[in-house]
Amino acid sequence: DAKTTQPTSMDCAEGRAANLPCNHSTISGNEYVYWYRQIHSQGPQYIIHGLKNNETNEMASLIITEDRKSSTLILPHATLRDTAVYYCIVRVDISFNKFYFGSGTKLNVKP
Amino acid sequence: EAGVVQSPRYKIIEKKQPVAFWCNPISGHNTLYWYRQNLGQGPELLIRYENEEAVDDSQLPKDRFSAERLKGVDSTLKIQPAELGDSAVYLCASSFGLAGAYEQYFGPGTRLTVT
Repeated sequence: DAKTTQPTSMDCAEGRAANLPCNHSTISGNEYVYWYRQIHSQGPQYIIHGLKNNETNEMASLIITEDRKSSTLILPHATLRDTAVYYCIVRVDISFNKFYFGSGTKLNVKP
Repeated sequence: EAGVVQSPRYKIIEKKQPVAFWCNPISGHNTLYWYRQNLGQGPELLIRYENEEAVDDSQLPKDRFSAERLKGVDSTLKIQPAELGDSAVYLCASSFGLAGAYEQYFGPGTRLTVT
């Protein structure tokens, strides 16, 4: 099973870009990288996902290295509302949509 | 469009008592998941349904936990009897489609406290 490694916590100044790293060195060729976040007392919220190419949506950008062993989630202009736990997930079974959440990175956005 | 609905939001029970959680997924989503989240940890999958069929219940403690999804829409997760270690947040999620890169949509969860 592909597992992920993330820093326990990170700080970011409001208005600056937040770059959240994730290592997934055992990822297989057909496994997607997903990012979710969980704001306090809420359920996890989907952010973005990708396979090989970099992806961008209205919330964030996902940069995946060429060897696919790591990725970075970029929040271009962090706000206080982006304070949350961010989970990097590798979907280990493409046919069953099964996620393994780790402990995630607690992002603290500070004024 | 309504999101995933869960009830109750909070539940406090004494150990050895039964408890049930209810989930109504997003309309049209045929896959439903139950997760358990312990304090400070990420969610862990308990069971996954595709329509009314439980296709992955390998992590469900079957001696005390049970789940059902009648008619392939809403679902109930039950614990009987509850133990102190069952205190956690129970999350329900749903997704559209049976395979492929489909994101899961989560409800707000039910926080269970067993005393």
